Amino acid sequence: EEQLVESGGGLAQPGGSLRLSCVASGFSFRSFSMNWVRQAPGKGLEWVSYIGAPGDDIHYVESVRGRFTISRDNAQNSLYLQMNNLRAGDTAVYYCARASPGLDVWGKGTTVTVSS
Amino acid sequence: VMTQSPLFLPVTPGESASISCRSSQSLLHSNGNNYLDWYLHKPGQSPQLLIYLGSDRAPGVPDRFSGSGSGSDFTLKISRVEAEDVGVYYCMHSLQARTFGPGTRVEIK
Repeated sequence: EEQLVESGGGLAQPGGSLRLSCVASGFSFRSFSMNWVRQAPGKGLEWVSYIGAPGDDIHYVESVRGRFTISRDNAQNSLYLQMNNLRAGDTAVYYCARASPGLDVWGKGTTVTVSS
Repeated sequence: VMTQSPLFLPVTPGESASISCRSSQSLLHSNGNNYLDWYLHKPGQSPQLLIYLGSDRAPGVPDRFSGSGSGSDFTLKISRVEAEDVGVYYCMHSLQARTFGPGTRVEIK
């Protein structure tokens, strides 16, 4: 079964950092580009970041550029999102999703709460 | 910028429903593909892909879901709506950086 499992969410203070992880199983992770998508409480889906299969093509939504860093380790079947200088507006459920080309496999999400 | 209409859509089971999605830029690539997807987000679940590249139905998606359109104007049609189709429908452009539309909430009348 093709599966994505996120972890690393939790409570962080404004200005703090968290690192999200997403482990893939059941498919050839190195062959697919990957994305992070988030949903803030009571809001719609927001695309956050994209990384190509080799890891050399990277894009971010403007609101996180310079604060978040997406990366991947194809040997470990893992996707990461390093989140620095967190703001209250970053509070959301964060999903990782495979692009094939639509986002066809999603994890269950990990919750990030930014609050003092 | 992606816009959707309507933002709220009450539907009667068995009837058809349509959602419009418009992009501020053309999503038609020089390769002939329209980089526009449709997703359904049901309460308590992860979002699911319904349609990719404008009109290709994702595996396992019932054929009552269909996507059409090209360039900057797209439509998702649900024929014979069922109770399990309730949720929020999003269009998303997938040309490099992605952007979701605001979502259309579909509820049963």
